[in-house]
Amino acid sequence: GDSVTQMEGPVTLSEEAFLTINCTYTATGYPSLFWYVQYPGEGLQLLLKATKADDKGSNKGFEATYRKETTSFHLEKGSVQVSDSAVYFCALLGQGAQKLVFGQGTRLTINP
Amino acid sequence: KAGVTQTPRYLIKTRGQQVTLSCSPISGHRSVSWYQQTPGQGLQFLFEYFSETQRNKGNFPGRFSGRQFSNSRSEMNVSTLELGDSALYLCASNILGEGYEQYFGPGTRLTVT
Repeated sequence: GDSVTQMEGPVTLSEEAFLTINCTYTATGYPSLFWYVQYPGEGLQLLLKATKADDKGSNKGFEATYRKETTSFHLEKGSVQVSDSAVYFCALLGQGAQKLVFGQGTRLTINP
Repeated sequence: KAGVTQTPRYLIKTRGQQVTLSCSPISGHRSVSWYQQTPGQGLQFLFEYFSETQRNKGNFPGRFSGRQFSNSRSEMNVSTLELGDSALYLCASNILGEGYEQYFGPGTRLTVT
C-alpha cells in the first residue's frame, strides 16, 4: 500500500539556519503530496502541496518540489525562525483515494 | 468562514465507558474525515464521510464508529474504552476533487484511566 517515510527527528537548529526535512513516498500512479505543520496544542495546518511531478509548492518561505524520479518531496526553508518550531508531517493522497497517508512527523526546534 | 470546530476539547473517561466526539466542518464542506493521533502510532485514519455516507474506513476495531448528519456535522463514538484509546482525535473538513485539501480542527484530547 501507499506509505510515507520522513527523516527521524527531533531536529534542532539555530535561528536563520537552512532547513531540510526529507520525505520519500511509495505509491502507485500519481499521488498528490502535502506538508502539514502542527503547533503545540493545535490541529494540523496545511503548509503546502503539489499535485503533479515537478510542481513546487511554497508558503511562508517553505518550499517542496515533487520529484517523481526519486519519489521525494523534501521540505526546505532558507532561514528558519523560532516561530517555525513545530511538528511537520509529510502526507500523500493516492490517485483516486479519499484519505491522506501521513509520515510519522518530524519535530523541529529552533533556538534563538 | 469559521474553521473546523471540535467538542469537547478535553475528555477524561474510565475504562469500559463509551464516548462521543463531535465535529462541525467548514460551512459548505460535505466531507469529513477522522484521525487518531498517538505518539507511538502517529496519525491513523479512522473513517471518512460524505453526504451522510461512510466511504472509507481505517483499520480499527468495531468499537470505533461514526456518523454524519444532514448538516454535515459528524460524530464519532468509541465504546468499551481501553487505555490504548487515549489519543488526540482529529477531525478534518475536506475539499474534494483535483484541489483536494483537508482542514483540521484543534482535536479532542481523550484520556482513558
